[in-house]
Formats: sequence, C-alpha cells, structure tokens
Amino acid sequence: EDQVTQSPEALRLQEGESSSLNCSYTVSGLRGLFWYRQDPGKGPEFLFTLYSAGEEKEKERLKATLTKKESFLHITAPKPEDSATYLCAVQAHRTNAGKSTFGDGTTLTVKP
Amino acid sequence: NAGVTQTPKFRILKIGQSMTLQCTQDMNHNYMYWYRQDPGMGLKLIYYSVGAGITDKGEVPNGYNVSRSTTEDFPLRLELAAPSQTSVYFCASINGGVGEKLFFGSGTQLSVL
Repeated sequence: EDQVTQSPEALRLQEGESSSLNCSYTVSGLRGLFWYRQDPGKGPEFLFTLYSAGEEKEKERLKATLTKKESFLHITAPKPEDSATYLCAVQAHRTNAGKSTFGDGTTLTVKP
Repeated sequence: NAGVTQTPKFRILKIGQSMTLQCTQDMNHNYMYWYRQDPGMGLKLIYYSVGAGITDKGEVPNGYNVSRSTTEDFPLRLELAAPSQTSVYFCASINGGVGEKLFFGSGTQLSVL
C-alpha cells in the first residue's frame, strides 16, 4: 500500500525566514511525485511534478527536490502570500493515471 | 475555459437524506475523480472514472455512488446521509497521460446533522 507522510503538520515562519517541508513516501514503482498548494476554501493547485531521484524544479521562491525515499519543498525568503497548505501526492506505475495517494499536508503561515 | 465546476458550494443535510453533488469539466478530459477531505487531513479517493460508462471504486467508496454518462459530467450520489460523510468533496480530472497533474474543482462543503 502506498503511503505519504508529511512533516511538520504546521510551520510558522517570519517573512524572509527560509525553511523546508518534508514528504516521505513508500510506493511500489514511483510514476510521479506531486506538490500542490491549497488555499482555504479552495481546491488544490498544482505546483510541481518530480519523476526520478535527483530531479529538482523551481518556481519563484519554491524549490522541490526528490530522493528515493522523500521529497523536500524548500521555501526561500517566504512572503505572507506564501501562506497555504502544501500537499504532497504520489502516483505508482501500477495504478491508473491520476489515482494519487495524498499526505495530510503542511500548513504554512508566514508572518510579516 | 471554466475548468472543473462543482455545485453546490455548501449544503446541509439531515441524517438519512440523499443528494447529488454535481461535477462537470470542459477540458475534454477522459479521467475524473471524486476525493473527500476531512479537516486537517489529506484527500481520500472515493470513486474514479476512466471514460464515459466506466467507473470504479477508490479507497473510501461506502455510502456513495457515481455514474459517467458523458465525458463532461461525473455526479456523486450520497444515499442515506450519515454524520461520517460530513466533509469537503473535490472533483478532479486529467487527460490520462503519464504523470499528469490533477485539475481540481473548488469543492463542496457538506454537513450532515
């Protein structure tokens, strides 16, 4: 059974204070690891897909990295508008496309 | 494009009532999904469909039913609502390619009292 564990559950940062969110996973044949951002009262929005260990992707202040057991979402010099819940999900090779297994998320609060 | 549209946004049901959550997408995606999200938790897959006329159970299907008569629409039916079905429901879709991202609707917040 595929499993995704995210830590910490909640993270409070001061504006400009860099940090990282962790996503540990177990899956039989990784097809893709996804990061989504979810704002209160809204559906998740796609951020990144990572396919193989060693891969990295960046978007503005966010950088996602992948190893064989975990992924990190690095946030550099965060701003209050980065406050949201960040969800990690995996898809296995054996599943139909889109049958993603999600973690419980990390709720990030950035104070000005 | 509107993307994935869900209605209603909010609903309160009494125990034992039934209702249908509507989901439609205008991206001509083949694959559609229903997830539920409980407070502070991740998303759990209820049902999914890989095309019109084809549906299958996900991780938590009990108490729900779906149908897929067209590519665009994927309604979720709750029969005999129970308090355990209080949750936020998200519909999502993809075209079905390798490692594709999910497109989500804005959700339906359902309370069963």
